[in-house]
Amino acid sequence: NAGVTQTPKFRILKIGQSMTLQCTQDMNHNYMYWYRQDPGMGLKLIYYSVGAGITDKGEVPNGYNVSRSTTEDFPLRLELAAPSQTSVYFCASSYFPGTDTQYFGPGTRLTVL
Amino acid sequence: ILNVEQSPQSLHVQEGDSTNFTCSFPSSNFYALHWYRWETAKSPEALFVMTLNGDEKKKGRISATLNTKEGYSYLYIKGSQPEDSATYLCAFYSGNTPLVFGKGTRLSVIA
Repeated sequence: NAGVTQTPKFRILKIGQSMTLQCTQDMNHNYMYWYRQDPGMGLKLIYYSVGAGITDKGEVPNGYNVSRSTTEDFPLRLELAAPSQTSVYFCASSYFPGTDTQYFGPGTRLTVL
Repeated sequence: ILNVEQSPQSLHVQEGDSTNFTCSFPSSNFYALHWYRWETAKSPEALFVMTLNGDEKKKGRISATLNTKEGYSYLYIKGSQPEDSATYLCAFYSGNTPLVFGKGTRLSVIA
């Protein structure tokens, strides 16, 4: 079991560029989440999904898009990168929404210059 | 907006000291309370998921208690070691929205 995997590990973007952060889990979890880590602010939820084809906004969705075409994959897209999106991004998954442990991927460190 | 507060924000203890910190959450619509350990440059790892009032969980030198009626949970570390240095996050689940995380307590254990 690989658990939750994320690619890339690091990326530097120029303002206005686009990119997709990949997330895959092999635990057959229904629920998947994208968080960003802001210094001193802990984890902020960007988007989440309750199953293939169903996504919903979290606390900080602006500037991001997601899709969930399969149970395993939950990519996060940045369309027009801005310096405010410099952060570490974590993908997580769980079988149940809140009474089950969330398993986190290793993170993607993104810098927008 | 649900509010999950953790205190203190940061803590420095000597190796061998025991310590504890607090997570406060809304006392209504309680479903679950999570504790995660988050080492620098790594990803959060689950410690406990607690669902019942009065619940006590233990993993090695780390334990947690839960009081859902008054809306708090304590995390205890007995005989702190340098490898316990990390940020400890709690997260609250009300059944309506995804987990809401606190900002964490950053623990530094000095050898």
